[in-house]
Amino acid sequence: DVKVTQSSRYLVKRTGEKVFLECVQDMDHENMFWYRQDPGLGLRLIYFSYDVKMKEKGDIPEGYSVSREKKERFSLILESASTNQTSMYLCASSGPLTYEQYFGPGTRLTVT
Amino acid sequence: GQNIDQPTEMTATEGAIVQINCTYQTSGFNGLFWYQQHAGEAPTFLSYNVLDGLEEKGRFSSFLSRSKGYSYLLLKELQMKDSASYLCAVSLVWSSASKIIFGSGTRLSIRP
Repeated sequence: DVKVTQSSRYLVKRTGEKVFLECVQDMDHENMFWYRQDPGLGLRLIYFSYDVKMKEKGDIPEGYSVSREKKERFSLILESASTNQTSMYLCASSGPLTYEQYFGPGTRLTVT
Repeated sequence: GQNIDQPTEMTATEGAIVQINCTYQTSGFNGLFWYQQHAGEAPTFLSYNVLDGLEEKGRFSSFLSRSKGYSYLLLKELQMKDSASYLCAVSLVWSSASKIIFGSGTRLSIRP
């Protein structure tokens, strides 16, 4: 079974803090994605990566950055957390021959 | 712009059939996904339609009409465990790193 894991299920941070969300997949997938999910807005793509050290902006990259130093790990960084970044963050991965994305369990981030 | 519409909420009875509709207006359409998401959990893959027509997978079937920008998910013999949100999503480019746009989801409640 494909497994995508995220470093925390719940996280509480203060405004202005630097926040790291980690995602690891064990299926040797090339593609990895970061989404945020908010009520009424669905899943929105923040960033994605199709190879190590490669990244592409999604629909809402402002206030976020990413890092992919190893194939299995994709990190989302909030340089200076703000209250409007309170959300559920979901990581996903997919391989080269399938369009199906496998999701991690999500991290519910609260910024106070 | 890209737009995906699906009803916000639906209610159905255990043992019955329900159809969840999705309409989309997007550029570079490649295929359409349906995902299931139980409350507090990650989305899980249900189906992926590329060609027009109906694809059946057990109690779940998915239909696509590319010319009409329309899809539906049909759930038969409803069970209480089918209470979940159902996400319609469109894949936009023909590559392994397809960008996927998600609808806001339809929350389905099953009553005994």
